[in-house]
Amino acid sequence: DAGVIQSPRHEVTEMGQEVTLRCKPISGHNSLFWYRQTMMRGLELLIYFNNNVPIDDSGMPEDRFSAKMPNASFSTLKIQPSEPRDSAVYFCASSRVGLNQPQHFGDGTRLSIL
Amino acid sequence: DQQVKQNSPSLSVQEGRISILNCDYTNSMFDYFLWYKKYPAEGPTFLISISSIKDKNEDGRFTVFLNKSAKHLSLHIVPSQPGDSAVYFCAASEGNTGKLIFGQGTTLQVKP
Repeated sequence: DAGVIQSPRHEVTEMGQEVTLRCKPISGHNSLFWYRQTMMRGLELLIYFNNNVPIDDSGMPEDRFSAKMPNASFSTLKIQPSEPRDSAVYFCASSRVGLNQPQHFGDGTRLSIL
Repeated sequence: DQQVKQNSPSLSVQEGRISILNCDYTNSMFDYFLWYKKYPAEGPTFLISISSIKDKNEDGRFTVFLNKSAKHLSLHIVPSQPGDSAVYFCAASEGNTGKLIFGQGTTLQVKP
């Protein structure tokens, strides 16, 4: 079975550029989560969707960050404009909707903003 | 304000012995707890979970214990194998929110 697929695996870009990270959840999973991992803050939830609807975006750090889920098999996390402090590993995870469902993670996108 | 804490950044164990990883939490509303294993350049991999109605859950070499009164959980790996060397994260969630709060992780090294 295919797991959560993220692209690109690595992204290096200059400050001020727009960055788009992509995620394909596991088929049949209706919840999708975006996390960011940094040395200082560890793994922190940015936003999550249930059935393509954003439920909680309280972890999104600034208005420069936005996320969409146009359908059940695709989501994007966009940063515009990007800043060096956005450099981190960004993970996408998915799970079935419901009580006590474990989340399954993709391998992440390592983002470096120069 | 860290709601989930893993106070040991690292742990070293001999192959074949037991590894015990610990996790403390502060939010009494958490009712579902998970352990993840992470290798470098990969995403966290789900290992085992436990709901607050239980105090123990076992899956092969992995057992998770939950002590609700102490707000403490632990992961036991026995026997430990070199392939278990990784970073282990505990995580907790409340109700049906789906939101996971992660600890900072413990790096386990299993020596041959």
